[in-house]
Amino acid sequence: EVQLVQSGAEVKKPGESLRISCKGSGYSFTSYWISWVRQMPGKGLEWMGRIDPSDSYTNYSPSFQGHVTISADKSISTAYLQWSSLKASDTAMYYCARAQYYYDSSGYLLTNWFDPWGQGTLVTVSS
Amino acid sequence: SSELTQDPAVSVALGQTVRITCQGDSLRSYYASWYQQKPGQAPVLVIYGKNNRPSGIPDRFSGSSSGNTASLTITGAQAEDEADYYCNSRDSSGNHLSFGGGTKLTVL
Repeated sequence: EVQLVQSGAEVKKPGESLRISCKGSGYSFTSYWISWVRQMPGKGLEWMGRIDPSDSYTNYSPSFQGHVTISADKSISTAYLQWSSLKASDTAMYYCARAQYYYDSSGYLLTNWFDPWGQGTLVTVSS
Repeated sequence: SSELTQDPAVSVALGQTVRITCQGDSLRSYYASWYQQKPGQAPVLVIYGKNNRPSGIPDRFSGSSSGNTASLTITGAQAEDEADYYCNSRDSSGNHLSFGGGTKLTVL
């Protein structure tokens, strides 16, 4: 069974650092990108960025570039999302998801999809 | 604000057909994917590509596209289909991905 299992809920103070994890199993971890998605309380999904675990190449949404760091350790099939200095506005549920992309014969990206998703990690930042 | 526009809320009578739409310029040359999210749960992929359903998704779910609009259709909506639905596509730069704002589906 293809599965992504995320680390547990975290409660942190503003200014603290944090790294949450996402461990893949049941498939070749280096064959698929991993994306991270934020969902603030009562709000919609926001794509944060992605990583290619085979070479750790990353691509960030402009909204999150510079605010978080995405990394991966392919030896243990695990991707990470990291903050160096948390803010109260980082309070949210964070999901990882396996990303697939489909290109046409000329290399043009036609579509993408996320499947499966991790169960989510709730991050609460409060003084 | 999202580059993909969805109606915030839609309702459907039990057993009837409902269409949930997603509008955006990227959809003229890109197939959207669709996700169902029930309260307290992670999103689940329901439609991807031109009109593909992952294993385990009922065939009452289907996808289509026309111009700048992608649609998710539920034919014969069931009570268990009540959920939030999100579309996903690339953004206008082509280098990043984006989600629509989500549609809350109520089954009456």
